[in-house]
Amino acid sequence: NAGVMQNPRHLVRRRGQEARLRCSPMKGHSHVYWYRQLPEEGLKFMVYLQKENIIDESGMPKERFSAEFPKEGPSILRIQQVVRGDSAAYFCASSPSSESSYEQYFGPGTRLTVT
Amino acid sequence: AQSVTQLDSQVPVFEEAPVELRCNYSSSVSVYLFWYVQYPNQGLQLLLKYLSGSTLVESINGFEAEFNKSQTSFHLRKPSVHISDTAEYFCAVSLLSGGYNKLIFGAGTRLAVHP
Repeated sequence: NAGVMQNPRHLVRRRGQEARLRCSPMKGHSHVYWYRQLPEEGLKFMVYLQKENIIDESGMPKERFSAEFPKEGPSILRIQQVVRGDSAAYFCASSPSSESSYEQYFGPGTRLTVT
Repeated sequence: AQSVTQLDSQVPVFEEAPVELRCNYSSSVSVYLFWYVQYPNQGLQLLLKYLSGSTLVESINGFEAEFNKSQTSFHLRKPSVHISDTAEYFCAVSLLSGGYNKLIFGAGTRLAVHP
């Protein structure tokens, strides 16, 4: 049973470009969570999605950031017009249901560097 | 508001010595508690969790943590560390909000085990 997959593992973008981060949850999981880890800090919740629905986006910056989890395919975290402050590790986690959302399984992360 | 405080950002220790990584949380409601470990350039792995029952929980690799409700603490201990335990350790609480559990992380403690 494959774990949570994220790609790419490393992503370099110039200021102003777009970054697309992908997350495939564990098999049988339909709930996805995105977290951001800034250098020397812990993980901060960004958004919680179920298939085709955004449940909680209270941690998402108001501009430039969006997330989706379509019926088919991986969840996508999209950052438009990246700035240096977006450089961070972005982690995705999944759980099988909202009832078991306390137990989240994490992917290896995507390390975004904005030059 | 709920928060997690990890009192030590870095803990250096010699191999085979005991170690304690401290974690305090603030919450007015019951929470679940977790310790995650992050090895260099990898994602988070669940180390152990407290959901209910016995206040002392153990992992398969010798770590243990004790839930202390009166002191709102969940300190992580190991009686004898190995070089391979060098990693960053994150304490987290799971807060039930809006029908699902949101994970709130501490800033992390970097454990460095020296020979």
